[in-house]
Amino acid sequence: GENVEQHPSTLSVQEGDSAVIKCTYSDSASNYFPWYKQELGKGPQLIIDIRSNVGEKKDQRIAVTLNKTAKHFSLHITETQPEDSAVYFCAPKGAVSGGYQKVTFGTGTKLQVIP
Amino acid sequence: DTEVTQTPKHLVMGMTNKKSLKCEQHMGHRAMYWYKQKAKKPPELMFVYSYEKLSINESVPSRFSPECPNSSLLNLHLHALQPEDSALYLCASRSIGESRTEAFFGQGTRLTVV
Repeated sequence: GENVEQHPSTLSVQEGDSAVIKCTYSDSASNYFPWYKQELGKGPQLIIDIRSNVGEKKDQRIAVTLNKTAKHFSLHITETQPEDSAVYFCAPKGAVSGGYQKVTFGTGTKLQVIP
Repeated sequence: DTEVTQTPKHLVMGMTNKKSLKCEQHMGHRAMYWYKQKAKKPPELMFVYSYEKLSINESVPSRFSPECPNSSLLNLHLHALQPEDSALYLCASRSIGESRTEAFFGQGTRLTVV
């Protein structure tokens, strides 16, 4: 199966600073790269995604960059705010197997923004 | 409506009980999923339904029994669970065959087996 790792596993930043989380995957057939935010007691919610034919995508304070050659993609959050505190998961979508394109969640990164 | 609704939000059950978790979406998504999430871990896939048919069972014990009565509903029937089955159970749905392949998650059911 696909190996998906995230680094760091925990990250503390001061409010207003930037945060970067990296996701490394093993399946070269992966073609869709989302990031999910999970707040305490809630389900994961998509915050940004990128497809394999694009290198970078930005949405206000959030950006995702993709390096398909090196098989990693990163989440960038600028001007962090306390409400950004949550657990973030990458979930690259891999090769089709048995009619299903498998999604493997990364190990998760707990981000704490200190006011 | 871009919501996936799960009920109940919390459930406490004994090891001899039978209970069901419910999931509903009205986005027209024809792929629906059950995930199990233990504390401080990523969600783990349990089942995938595609066009109301079970397409993936990730070697889940038979004490978990999924059901998809129609394209909007997904159930997970629970029987004779063990304390280690206590977890957050997440339902998700996704559109099949579109370029955007975002999965929409419900808020989850927090299950405690006593």
